[in-house]
Parts: sequence; structure tokens; C-alpha cells
Amino acid sequence: DAGVIQSPRHEVTEMGQEVTLRCKPISGHNSLFWYRQTMMRGLELLIYFNNNVPIDDSGMPEDRFSAKMPNASFSTLKIQPSEPRDSAVYFCASRRTQGPGQETQYFGPGTRLLVL
Amino acid sequence: GEDVEQSLFLSVREGDSSVINCTYTDSSSTYLYWYKQEPGAGLQLLTYIFSNMDMKQDQRLTVLLNKKDKHLSLRIADTQTGDSAIYFCAEKAGANNLFFGTGTRLTVIP
Repeated sequence: DAGVIQSPRHEVTEMGQEVTLRCKPISGHNSLFWYRQTMMRGLELLIYFNNNVPIDDSGMPEDRFSAKMPNASFSTLKIQPSEPRDSAVYFCASRRTQGPGQETQYFGPGTRLLVL
Repeated sequence: GEDVEQSLFLSVREGDSSVINCTYTDSSSTYLYWYKQEPGAGLQLLTYIFSNMDMKQDQRLTVLLNKKDKHLSLRIADTQTGDSAIYFCAEKAGANNLFFGTGTRLTVIP
């Protein structure tokens, strides 16, 4: 298996622009998580989905952030408009909710976002 | 709410053992995890332990869990320079969420 796939790996954009981060979970995994990592706050859970349905989005910082999961193999995290304080590494993770391996989340390589 | 705490830094000499400690607050945690993050990379699962276990060993890694004190540790035997990374402790206290500590940056001195 290719693991969790994220794109792009790096993104540099200007303040005010729209940013879309993409994630493909591991096949067969039906929970998907978006995290943000910064020096100041460490690793924060933004939102997670079960079976493509958002379950808890309490970690989403504000209305500029939105996430979708249109099908079991794809999710997006969108920031519109972006601000310099959104600069961070954004991780996607997935896991199965039943059967062997359900206790483990697997992380993607992350998208490094820099908003100028 | 859940709170997971770790010391920020640890330095050891190559060949020595490293012990990274973690404390957590939620006594209902079902699983506890150790993840490793190398520079510029994502989080890699190293090992995990179920809450009804006291110890788990996997090659150079030994996890100890003191459930009474809510204390988790990761021991790395014969630490190598390739073990230099940030190590995150995490607990699974609900159906889905993981709560992460701040991470401990391990530096291995040759």
C-alpha cells in the first residue's frame, strides 16, 4: 500500500489567496483526520470524518477553513482567504474503524504551507 | 479535558539508552502510542500499548505503562544517531481521537 498520500507537499502562496490541500487515505480506511502542526501549538486536530461524514470539526480555527470528503478515497482542506498565521504543516491521517489495525492512525507526509 | 505532557528535549550519547517520558490525564485511555517524526517528515508510528498491559518490547524499543500514575515511557536501547528525531506520545481516549503531547526532541551525540 502507498500509505496516506498528500498533495501538494509544499505550497507557497500570498495572503488572501485560496489554498486547497488534498489527501488520499489508505484504501479500506474509513476514518480520516486533518491535523495542523506549528511550533507554538504543536499538533492540533482540525477535523475528522467517519465514512465520509464530518464528525467533529471543533478544531477548525475559523470560517476560513473548510473540509470535505466527497468519497472514501479523497478529502480536501481549503483555506479561503489564507493568512500568514495559517503557515504550518498540515497532516492527513487515516485508520480503519473495525477489524485488525483499528487502533492505529497512519499519517501522510504532510503539506508545508507558507503564506506570505 | 485530555492533557498529554512530555519534556521538550533529551540528549544522549550514541550507544547509551534513551528514556522518553510522558504523562497523561485521562484514565479511560484505551491505547497509548509513540510516534517518531524525523526532520521534514510526517509522523511514523513506532509502537503502541493497550491500557491493560504494563510493558511491551519490540526489538530496541521498550514501552512501560504505569496506569496508576498515568505515566508512559519509551526506552530505546543502544541509541543510534538515526534515532535523533521528535518523539510524540499520544493517547486514545475516545472512539476516534488521538491526543498528542508536545513532543520530545531527542538528540544523539556521536
